[in-house]
Amino acid sequence: DSGVTQTPKHLITATGQRVTLRCSPRSGDLSVYWYQQSLDQGLQFLIQYYNGEERAKGNILERFSAQQFPDLHSELNLSSLELGDSALYFCASSRGGEQYFGPGTRLTVT
Amino acid sequence: AQSVSQHNHHVILSEAASLELGCNYSYGGTVNLFWYVQYPGQHLQLLLKYFSGDPLVKGIKGFEAEFIKSKFSFNLRKPSVQWSDTAEYFCAVNRGQRGSQGNLIFGKGTKLSVKP
Repeated sequence: DSGVTQTPKHLITATGQRVTLRCSPRSGDLSVYWYQQSLDQGLQFLIQYYNGEERAKGNILERFSAQQFPDLHSELNLSSLELGDSALYFCASSRGGEQYFGPGTRLTVT
Repeated sequence: AQSVSQHNHHVILSEAASLELGCNYSYGGTVNLFWYVQYPGQHLQLLLKYFSGDPLVKGIKGFEAEFIKSKFSFNLRKPSVQWSDTAEYFCAVNRGQRGSQGNLIFGKGTKLSVKP
């Protein structure tokens, strides 16, 4: 158990819908990262927050957005969902340069 | 752009065989290097990391990796694999000094299957 929690574990939704994925970092970690894992693209960095502020952006679509709240938990919002958005979404938190990953949310878009 | 290459997509070994998984990265500056393991249906777990110092690093479960700066490589090794090592292994890199908060760039992963 890494100490990073993510909910829900599984999400099945239809194209065009919007979903919110939630992540709670390890106690005391200020940085939260979101990654997408798919068969064709592998593990790709989406976005990073540090203490409530956006720190870095990767290959994140405009339909996706995220935020980090004062209690440091983070939410990833995915809208206008397409079949190709089906993937595992991981969040990670870091301290001392090591990133610890949560169990992931498996999103299936039908 | 920075990238990480893992040359083997799928490796099949018998128990007790030795393992070496290749990883090369393309970035000339200071980097931090990581190997993560993902057991079936589970999240990524950190196996080992290199920030600086001794280029031979030891991790959990008997794994080690060697950083060769001149070859931009960080290969993972284990002298004798077990069936329980069956998993997918990811090499990752981020830029900056030790403790960098930078995002990780991952290789495509290598699936290891160990036959009992």
